[in-house]
Parts: sequence; C-alpha cells; structure tokens
Amino acid sequence: NAGVMQNPRHLVRRRGQEARLRCSPMKGHSHVYWYRQLPEEGLKFMVYLQKENIIDESGMPKERFSAEFPKEGPSILRIQQVVRGDSAAYFCASSPEGQGLAEAFFGQGTRLTVV
Amino acid sequence: SQKIEQNSEALNIQEGKTATLTCNYTNYSPAYLQWYRQDPGRGPVFLLLIRENEKEKRKERLKVTFDTTLKQSLFHITASQPADSATYLCALDEGGSYIPTFGRGTSLIVHP
Repeated sequence: NAGVMQNPRHLVRRRGQEARLRCSPMKGHSHVYWYRQLPEEGLKFMVYLQKENIIDESGMPKERFSAEFPKEGPSILRIQQVVRGDSAAYFCASSPEGQGLAEAFFGQGTRLTVV
Repeated sequence: SQKIEQNSEALNIQEGKTATLTCNYTNYSPAYLQWYRQDPGRGPVFLLLIRENEKEKRKERLKVTFDTTLKQSLFHITASQPADSATYLCALDEGGSYIPTFGRGTSLIVHP
C-alpha cells in the first residue's frame, strides 16, 4: 500500500487551530475514501470523493470538517477549530473507478494530536 | 442495530500452530466480506475478500470461510509465525455503496 501517500504522518495542533491532511491516491485511482480510527475503536468511514465531486459524506461530522479532491493535486481533509476529541489516526484509501473498496489500498495514515 | 463483532481479547498462540479469528455480524446482509492486517502505526493492508456466494477462499497460508446462515466468517493462518503478529480487521459491505464497515479488530500474538 506504499502507493497511497499521506502527509504529514504526524500532526500536532493546539485547540482552535486548523488541521489539513493530504492524501495522494495510487496512480490511476480516481476515488478516495477517508476513515478515522480512534484508540481502541474500529475504522469509521467519513467521506468518499472522486475528482471534483463528493460522492458520500454521510460519515462526516456536520461542523468543522470538510474534504475536497481537486482536479489537480491531492485530496485534502480539513478540520477547523480542532478539539481534543479530534485526536485520532486518519486514513485515506484509494480505488480505481467502479471498484469501490473491494480491494482497497490504504495509506499509512496521519496521526493528529490536539493539545 | 447493526454490529460487527471481533474478539477484543488478544489471541496468543505458539509458532507453528493454526490461528483462527472470528468475525460475527448482526443485521447485515453482506455482499462480500474482507479481512485486513494492521500493524501498529500503519495503515490496514488488504488480505482477502470473500463474496456471499463463496464458502471458502485461500491464499497461501490464509483461509477464510463465510457462513451467511451463522452470520460468521472465520480467518485461519496455518503454520503461524511471529511475523504474523498484528491486528486483523474484518470489514463487510452490503454491496450498494462499496464502502465497507469495519470491525474493531483482534490482536494476534504468535510466540516463538
């Protein structure tokens, strides 16, 4: 899964700051999925995007969280005014068009710590 | 409510033995079920996918079974090695969204 690149690997933010997490999908993949993993919990789906389009954001908190996947460049997960409860590992996965996550490739994750 | 249950207690086994991990689900009708491996500080790595009309699937030392009547999948690692120590996640999808839902995972520890 080295093909899906996430950065930064670790991010520390103070409460109230903004966090920007980046995900570059595997070459040839046009679909990106974001998941969040809290300590001792499973991966929770957040949002599913294709280039310039949000397909499913049913797992995204209604406030402070947004995601985009522009025509050029990586997908961005943005968390505004972070709170301690946002501390988690955020994983991105990518797939070719039409495959969903049937055989998913995940990145190494960004570990966000809010202090 | 919908649930995916994996044993929260770590499974400790001796090297060379077969490890068997369980994934039970309720109130789902999965079109397929997946198993992933996750090492500490790393992303999940896809291992195997089994579809609702398949009873068993194998890949090298790995074997997955899927019993839609019992609503259960078993994941076996034969001739286990210390390098197999990791957390194993099951995930299932009902087929419409292609966005699987994950269990919390079970930690496997293989002792030399």
